[in-house]
Formats: sequence, C-alpha cells, structure tokens
Amino acid sequence: DIQMTQSPSSLSASVGDRVTITCRASQSISTYLNWYQQKPGKAPKLLINAASSLQSGVPSRFSGSGSGTDFTLTISSLQPEDFATYYCQQSYSTPQTFGQGTKVEIK
Amino acid sequence: QVQLQQSGAGLVKPSQTLSLTCAISGDSVSSNSVVWNWIRQSPSRGLEWLGRTYYRSKWYNDYAVSVKSRITINPDTSKNQFSLQLNSVTPEDTAVYYCARDGRPFTSRSLFDYWGQGTLVTVSS
Repeated sequence: DIQMTQSPSSLSASVGDRVTITCRASQSISTYLNWYQQKPGKAPKLLINAASSLQSGVPSRFSGSGSGTDFTLTISSLQPEDFATYYCQQSYSTPQTFGQGTKVEIK
Repeated sequence: QVQLQQSGAGLVKPSQTLSLTCAISGDSVSSNSVVWNWIRQSPSRGLEWLGRTYYRSKWYNDYAVSVKSRITINPDTSKNQFSLQLNSVTPEDTAVYYCARDGRPFTSRSLFDYWGQGTLVTVSS
C-alpha cells in the first residue's frame, strides 16, 4: 500500500494567515492526489482533485500543487470557516489511502 | 444532485455482523461510469478505504486486504442502494462508517465526490 504522510499534524493560525500543509507519498503517484476538508461530525468534503484542480464552489483561497511524491495545500488567507482537519488521499492505486490529517486550529 | 443516505445498526456485539446500507438518490447504483465505496474512520486507523462495488456489464467488487476475509459489499438494484456487511467484528472495528461515490474512477481524476452522513458503529457487548 502507498503510505501518505502529512505535516504538520496540527497547526495554530490566525484569521488572515497563509497556511501551508504538506503531503508526501511513499512512492510516486504523479498527480493522483486529492485534498479533503473535514469538520467535526461531518463527512470529508472534496476541495482539490488531481493535485491542483479546485472543485466547483470551493473558494479560490485554496490551492494545491505538486507531483510525484510531494504535494502542498495552501490557504492564502485563512477564514473562520476554514478551521477544520485536512486530509490528502492518493488515487493512484488500490487501496486508495489517506494521510493522517492536519488539524488547523485557531491561534 | 447526488445524495447518499446511510442506515443501519450503531451497536454490534463482538463476533457478530455489522450491516449498513447506503441509499442513492440522483444517480444509479448500476451506473457504468461511477464506483460505490465504503470507507471508515477511527482515531487509531484514520480514514481507511474498505471496498467498492461497480457495474461494467457485470458486477465487480474490490476489498481491502485488511478486511477481505470478513467483508461483503452488495448492490441492490431494486432499491438503488448498496450494502456493507462485516463479519466477526471486534472492538477494533469500532469506527464511523461512510459510503462514498467515486465520480471519476480509474482515471487520474479519481475522487470521492459524494459521501453519506456517516454512521458511528460501536462494537461492544
């Protein structure tokens, strides 16, 4: 199975901050990488597909980049509704695997 | 708009069978362009893909190795839904279980675009 490792596991930030979350795959996955946002008690919500393609309706302050083994999710200006846990997920091979999550908390 | 509505027991005794159903609206379980999945989430294991079912002229299933000997995912075309059965459960199977659609399977844009609401299943006597 492909292992997905996110860093950091958690971070504290203020409204308006630029936030960067990193995801590393244990082998090359090209751009077969998705990002999800999850709020407490809710299912994950797809934010970014194929490493950098923003899903319809997702604010443009979210962006994704990377290919191969290293990927980044960036929130350009953190908003109150962005405090949540973020997961990366590889769709390169079965089983599709997720990172352990990065919790973004209010500073 | 696709909606997935989960139902099933939230408390299961050890060694018994966990059973959940995911009712689909806005799409078809028999669609030949999507795949229907079960995923669970627990503090110890994180988000874990369990298996999937899909129709491509005939029905196919794929299962995670970790549960392969205990899991069955079945489509029900008459009710437009699919189900999860997990046998011989232990407390380690306690988790929130989700059904989810892969709207672009087997491509570089594969993604879980629609999710059920989640069902907390506790394995306890």
